[in-house]
Amino acid sequence: DTGVSQNPRHKITKRGQNVTFRCDPISEHNRLYWYRQTLGQGPEFLTYFQNEAQLEKSRLLSDRFSAERPKGSFSTLEIQRTEQGDSAMYLCASSSPRTGSIYNEQFFGPGTRLTVL
Amino acid sequence: DQQVKQNSPSLSVQEGRISILNCDYTNSMFDYFLWYKKYPAEGPTFLISISSIKDKNEDGRFTVFLNKSAKHLSLHIVPSQPGDSAVYFCAASGDGNNDMRFGAGTRLTVKP
Repeated sequence: DTGVSQNPRHKITKRGQNVTFRCDPISEHNRLYWYRQTLGQGPEFLTYFQNEAQLEKSRLLSDRFSAERPKGSFSTLEIQRTEQGDSAMYLCASSSPRTGSIYNEQFFGPGTRLTVL
Repeated sequence: DQQVKQNSPSLSVQEGRISILNCDYTNSMFDYFLWYKKYPAEGPTFLISISSIKDKNEDGRFTVFLNKSAKHLSLHIVPSQPGDSAVYFCAASGDGNNDMRFGAGTRLTVKP
């Protein structure tokens, strides 16, 4: 399978705990994105990386959210001191811009569903 | 701020007929538009895209139309098939910006 993979697929945690999610992008893709999706809404952009550089993080929901992509391959999204409002689907996507084009389609993983009790 | 809007939460069509899904946007800086399809328990799957230099893009049964003056795009599926039943998301981004904005989605049901 050469698609985007995410682990775990489901995570149940208690309020106040820290959680970390992993995303493995399509191997040749240099861009990686994190989104959050709540019920009845479309994905909401959080942050993105080009290789190991985090180029946009102003849309992270709070300072409890952080993401890393240390070697430009897989990425992790961490939520510290989880709150019930953090319960959502967290989606990862990757892309590789086509030569000579600024446009790029993002390919999504299956997501990690977080439930905060 | 809801910069991309899909005002119809659901649509039901008969197999073989045309499905038309609509999307409106407010940000005139958007220059790239995409449609994604999502099945339950899966991530969104890229379907078709269009850049602002075009007003139509076709891929098999799927055609996307862009009306820049109205800030409106639509996805036509002809003929519709039961396997097309899914949630469809419209998305937009601007100037190569990777900050893609999504609509809330339209649930399409194609009845046999």
